[in-house]
Amino acid sequence: EVQLVESGGGLVKPGGSLRLSCATSGFTFTNAWMSWVRQAPGKGLEWVARIKTKPEGETTDYTAPVKGRFTISRDDSEKTLNLQMNSLKTEDTAVYYCTTGYSYAFWIWGQGTLVTVSS
Amino acid sequence: QSALTQPPSASGSPGQSVTISCTGTSSDVGGYNYVSWYQQHPGKVPKLMIYEVTKRPSGVPDRFSGSKSGNTASLTVSGLHTEDEADYYCGSYAGSNNLVFGGGTKLTVL
Repeated sequence: EVQLVESGGGLVKPGGSLRLSCATSGFTFTNAWMSWVRQAPGKGLEWVARIKTKPEGETTDYTAPVKGRFTISRDDSEKTLNLQMNSLKTEDTAVYYCTTGYSYAFWIWGQGTLVTVSS
Repeated sequence: QSALTQPPSASGSPGQSVTISCTGTSSDVGGYNYVSWYQQHPGKVPKLMIYEVTKRPSGVPDRFSGSKSGNTASLTVSGLHTEDEADYYCGSYAGSNNLVFGGGTKLTVL
């Protein structure tokens, strides 16, 4: 069974840092482009970041509001995806989903982890 | 990257058809055949319903169909069921390795 399980969410003060992780199983992680998508409370979906495979240079891309603050990374040996979030802002408050797929669509989603940025 | 434009709400009675639009630009929806649609029930995880404009993943009922004309993509749900009541989001590749979503449409089955 394909599974994505996020962890690491919580309450953090503005300007603080948080590291999210996504443990995966049931598919060939090394061949998968992995992404983070977030959803602010009561709002829509927002693509956050994506990392390509190791043969593709683990190339990363980010949505403009998080560039320079967030870093996506992967550990193929552990089949884990990470998101290091620094200089957090209140507008970063959201459920963060780990997701993967192809053809620029997201086929598999984790249950999400809530990040709350508040003083 | 601007979000794609969706109507905030749509509705239909059981058995009827409803179409949800998703308007972008030539830099996203109009420029690539990488439009996808997601269904999200309250408190649940999004589910992929359509990819590459018209294709349905295995297990998605054929009542769901996608299309595109110019910079506007559409999701049509035919023969509405009560369980189709949910939020629907479109997504599109936007070039330069960016992806963009629409603001979402709340579908009510009357």
